[in-house]
Amino acid sequence: NAGVMQNPRHLVRRRGQEARLRCSPMKGHSHVYWYRQLPEEGLKFMVYLQKENIIDESGMPKERFSAEFPKEGPSILRIQQVVRGDSAAYFCASSPLAVSENTEAFFGQGTRLTVV
Amino acid sequence: DQQVKQNSPSLSVQEGRISILNCDYTNSMFDYFLWYKKYPAEGPTFLISISSIKDKNEDGRFTVFLNKSAKHLSLHIVPSQPGDSAVYFCAAPPSNTGKLIFGQGTTLQVKP
Repeated sequence: NAGVMQNPRHLVRRRGQEARLRCSPMKGHSHVYWYRQLPEEGLKFMVYLQKENIIDESGMPKERFSAEFPKEGPSILRIQQVVRGDSAAYFCASSPLAVSENTEAFFGQGTRLTVV
Repeated sequence: DQQVKQNSPSLSVQEGRISILNCDYTNSMFDYFLWYKKYPAEGPTFLISISSIKDKNEDGRFTVFLNKSAKHLSLHIVPSQPGDSAVYFCAAPPSNTGKLIFGQGTTLQVKP
């Protein structure tokens, strides 16, 4: 059973371009979470999705950011018109049920986005 | 509003000695707490957790202590090994939300 797969591992974008980050959850996992880690900071929750539905997007910036988790295929975090402040490591996690004391979230290796 | 805080950005310990990593929180409603370990260029991996109704949980070399009155938890690693060198995050979930709130992390270096 492969772990959470994120691609690309590294992504370089020029200011104003679009960034698309992909996350394939572990087999059997229908819950996906995106986190962002800025330099020298902890992980900050962005969005929680469960197949085709956004459960909680309270951590998503209001503009330029969107996320989806279609019925088929990976979850996508999309950042439009990137700015230098978007440079960060973006981590995806998945779980078979909603994260709880008895249900662990498994993290991918992250995508490191650099905006130049 | 940082609900989970790790005030020590780094810690250096000699191999074989005890490592103590600390975490403070402000929300009394957290049901449980977790510690994650993260190596460079990798994602966090779950290490150990503790329910809010307990004050100690032990798993091998790792023990987590919870002091609810002080809103403080700590992770003890004994004996520390060079392979333990990593960034350690404490985390807690706002009730029934599925998400986690992470502390800023503490970088542990265990010297041979």
